[in-house]
Formats: sequence, C-alpha cells, structure tokens
Amino acid sequence: KNEVEQSPQNLTAQEGEFITINCSYSVGISALHWLQQHPGGGIVSLFMLSSGKKKHGRLIATINIQEKHSSLHITASHPRDSAVYICAVNYNTDKLIFGTGTRLQVFP
Amino acid sequence: DARVTQTPRHKVTEMGQEVTMRCQPILGHNTVFWYRQTMMQGLELLAYFRNRAPLDDSGMPKDRFSAEMPDATLATLKIQPSEPRDSAVYFCASGLVLAGISYNEQFFGPGTRLTVL
Repeated sequence: KNEVEQSPQNLTAQEGEFITINCSYSVGISALHWLQQHPGGGIVSLFMLSSGKKKHGRLIATINIQEKHSSLHITASHPRDSAVYICAVNYNTDKLIFGTGTRLQVFP
Repeated sequence: DARVTQTPRHKVTEMGQEVTMRCQPILGHNTVFWYRQTMMQGLELLAYFRNRAPLDDSGMPKDRFSAEMPDATLATLKIQPSEPRDSAVYFCASGLVLAGISYNEQFFGPGTRLTVL
C-alpha cells in the first residue's frame, strides 16, 4: 500500500481555471515535496514545506499537519502547466516516499 | 547555472550486457540519490550516499546492481548483467543536508532512459 495518496489521478482543465491537486499521507512527516515532471521526463522540485503555505508565481502549496494533507494550487492555469505533479514525503529520513502522481492537461 | 548532469541520456543494450550510468551532482551538495521510474512502479529509491558513503541501498537488487561514489563529483550506478525488466528511466538527484536536519530539497538530473532488449 502506497503511503502517499494523491488525487485526482488525472485532471483536465481549460486555460484560466483554478486547479487543486491533493496529497495525503499516513503518519507524521518531516517534510513534504511537490515535484513537476513534463513530458520528456525532467523532474523539477516546486516546493518543499513542513508547515503553512508557500507561493511561487501562480503556484501555491499548503500543508495541514493535523489533517496530514497537502494541496497544490495553480491559479490562472496555462497549457504549459500540463505535466505530472508528484507529491513526496520524508518520514523523518532523507528518503523520499512518492505518490503516484497527478497527470494534468490544460487545454487552450 | 548549477545542475545535476547524467550520462548517457539514452542507452539501448542487449540482455546480459553491463550498463554503467554516471551522475555529476551539484558542486557542494553532500547527498546523492539514485531513483528508478517505471510506468508500473512510479519513482523508487534505489540507493543514496552522504559525503560519498552509502547510507541505504535497500531498494536495489544486490545481485546485479551496484552504486558507488568514487569521488565527490561522480556517482555511478552499474547493472551487470542487465535484464529486460531493468528497462526504466534512472534519475540521479543531489541535495545539501545540514547537520540535524533529516530532509533536503533535491535537484534531479535529466535521467538515463535504459532499454534492455
């Protein structure tokens, strides 16, 4: 059983829409990461957070430690946001445990 | 522009052949990770190093896989002999772990796409 659950698995949106991707985990963590992987394969770290909220451009990541839940929001989505978004956690070690990813397609 | 580099980017080989993948971490980073990504399993940690010492290789099939860091600027992942089920994308990532902190932001290389026929 994967210890990191993401939803939805697939998501389609029209350009301009507000997007939310969810991640839940099973026990206490030291950090949670949001990663982006474009077609063609490169993986980019978007956020690393252990509490609260972080914002970078149109991307916002939040985490609720009590609920063991994190969300990644994309405001004013654009076709170039089309990618797989992966949630990963550190369970008090350096090792990352990955979710299965959310495939996002944004249409013009 | 500091980034993790990996070579080769693509490798096609026949079953039974030896495969060596190389990774150059970002200068100054003290932790290097090797991951494998497949459609079925997603991303999985194979092994990782801190200050060139192996910390965990429990994700790696020991009979055929080996990982080393001959120096701070080079990490290698070797498969011998290779099998078709090893076909995957292999990513290297590096990060700087500070004393007393059990996590770090990881910077990924572009990956090596391995096909074993």
